[in-house]
Amino acid sequence: NAGVTQTPKFRVLKTGQSMTLLCAQDMNHEYMYWYRQDPGMGLRLIHYSVGEGTTAKGEVPDGYNVSRLKKQNFLLGLESAAPSQTSVYFCASSYGRRQRNSPLHFGNGTRLTVT
Amino acid sequence: AQSVTQLGSHVSVSEGALVLLRCNYSSSVPPYLFWYVQYPNQGLQLLLKYTTGATLVKGINGFEAEFKKSETSFHLTKPSAHMSDAAEYFCAVTSTGNQFYFGTGTSLTVIP
Repeated sequence: NAGVTQTPKFRVLKTGQSMTLLCAQDMNHEYMYWYRQDPGMGLRLIHYSVGEGTTAKGEVPDGYNVSRLKKQNFLLGLESAAPSQTSVYFCASSYGRRQRNSPLHFGNGTRLTVT
Repeated sequence: AQSVTQLGSHVSVSEGALVLLRCNYSSSVPPYLFWYVQYPNQGLQLLLKYTTGATLVKGINGFEAEFKKSETSFHLTKPSAHMSDAAEYFCAVTSTGNQFYFGTGTSLTVIP
């Protein structure tokens, strides 16, 4: 039982390049989330999904796209990377409304640097 | 709307001293409250959670938190700090299990 797995762990991009971050969970969770973490700002929600085939915007969605084609996977895409997207990205999952007191389970993060 | 405020972005304690990390929340409906810990270069791990029932919640590594509805607080405590407790701590709230709202975190330093 691996929990939440994020790939890659580290990435360096040049401005304008694109990339996809992959998140996989093996806990049969309905809900999945993408957060970014920046110093002094805590965790900010980028996008989330309440089920396969559904996505919704969070607090800071601009410049990112997501897809949830399979229940266990949640992809975060950057179409044209900008230095402001330098951050640590965390994926998380939970049972969601099915179990409202269910905590979030986090991956170990992806450290992205955009130069 | 919901929100979380963590007072003190940095807290330093001596080894063996009491740890107190403060969290106040805002919620118009009964909340579910969580404390997470983040060690360097790792993801967030659940320390403890409050759902319903007993207001004093015990978590892992000797931490506990008390839910005080009248004060809208959920402060985290540990009687005796250990060097291994040095980490970043986050308080979070949800009411629907849909969206979670996090505080900005408190960095705990333990002085030997």
